[in-house]
Amino acid sequence: EDQVTQSPEALRLQEGESSSLNCSYTVSGLRGLFWYRQDPGKGPEFLFTLYSAGEEKEKERLKATLTKKESFLHITAPKPEDSATYLCAVQAGGATNKLIFGTGTLLAVQP
Amino acid sequence: ETGVTQTPRHLVMGMTNKKSLKCEQHLGHNAMYWYKQSAKKPLELMFVYSLEERVENNSVPSRFSPECPNSSHLFLHLHTLQPEDSALYLCASSQTDRGHYEQYFGPGTRLTVT
Repeated sequence: EDQVTQSPEALRLQEGESSSLNCSYTVSGLRGLFWYRQDPGKGPEFLFTLYSAGEEKEKERLKATLTKKESFLHITAPKPEDSATYLCAVQAGGATNKLIFGTGTLLAVQP
Repeated sequence: ETGVTQTPRHLVMGMTNKKSLKCEQHLGHNAMYWYKQSAKKPLELMFVYSLEERVENNSVPSRFSPECPNSSHLFLHLHTLQPEDSALYLCASSQTDRGHYEQYFGPGTRLTVT
């Protein structure tokens, strides 16, 4: 069964304290792995797509990496405005466009 | 308007009411989706429309009825809901034929069933 597990459930950092969020997945034929950011009361905001092991993408203080079993979202020198829930999703091979989501990591960055 | 819009943003309804949620995408995409988001649970895919035809229905109760009149508009008709249907309902869209599969989400409708 296709599955996505994110850890930790919640993470509290001091401003400037770098860390990583983990997304482990089991899927039959990975088409893509997606990272989203979700602020309270809003819809998920697309951040990155990774397609194959070894691929990396960067945007400001965020860097996403991918292996055959997991993805990491590295946050370098975070700021309070980076506080949000970060969601990971995978798309399996096949004819549908179904994304399978994890439950997310709630990140709080303290000033 | 840009991106994906949803109306209303908040809805309170009784169990015997009938209401509809509306979604509009301004991205020129050819697929649209309804998701349910409940606390502490992963996003749950409800319906998928591709080229205006429903291609997936993940065994959603019949009290939820989707409608996709064209590639830019998507509705979710609600009737005789249960309190456990209270959640954030998200609409998304994507382009399915360019090798990129990311979905873009609207702001959601916060639904409360009393």
